[in-house]
Amino acid sequence: QKEVEQNSGPLSVPEGAIASLNCTYSDRGSQSFFWYRQYSGKSPELIMSIYSNGDKEDGRFTAQLNKASQYVSLLIRDSQPSDSATYLCAVSNSNYQLIWGAGTKLIIKP
Amino acid sequence: AAGVIQSPRHLIKEKRETATLKCYPIPRHDTVYWYQQGPGQDPQFLISFYEKMQSDKGSIPDRFSAQQFSDYHSELNMSSLELGDSALYFCASSQGGHAVGNTIYFGEGSWLTVV
Repeated sequence: QKEVEQNSGPLSVPEGAIASLNCTYSDRGSQSFFWYRQYSGKSPELIMSIYSNGDKEDGRFTAQLNKASQYVSLLIRDSQPSDSATYLCAVSNSNYQLIWGAGTKLIIKP
Repeated sequence: AAGVIQSPRHLIKEKRETATLKCYPIPRHDTVYWYQQGPGQDPQFLISFYEKMQSDKGSIPDRFSAQQFSDYHSELNMSSLELGDSALYFCASSQGGHAVGNTIYFGEGSWLTVV
């Protein structure tokens, strides 16, 4: 079992709908959680960071963290075709190592 | 705002040759990370440096070495290149390592093609 797991997708969502991306992690001591967006051939771009339980909103993006259940999710409201990318979940574990999920490919259909 | 600068952006080498990638972190960032990402794969952590000392080591092959210099820039040296080393190599930087609340920022990557 990987330390950080994501559904590889692709996840197909109609334009204007809500895209929901999920990530689970195994190290209960993890404290920092990140969502990165990566377009093909480009570097990962930080979308959201979250450190405490609950929701954190930034524009159309909401990150949700549940440490008891060991999952972190990213919601994208009013999805746009430009949101089509691979979304990488990264978790800083109890050894302060940044562990990456394999990424979920999101496709927004016009 | 200044970002992480990597050079060269593209590099083509033959098998068994040597390649050097350079990374210039964001100003005042003291931590540098190197990642390797093959096609369709998640980034694989290679090695990191904090305050010019190696802070963590991942799946870096013995043929590779890296260091961080006094001006905090870092170089990744790759020798005896193999076809499987063809990948996108990312450098990232942060301030203070992976402490809670610290975020790492990525450079645009260096494409290495081994032929």
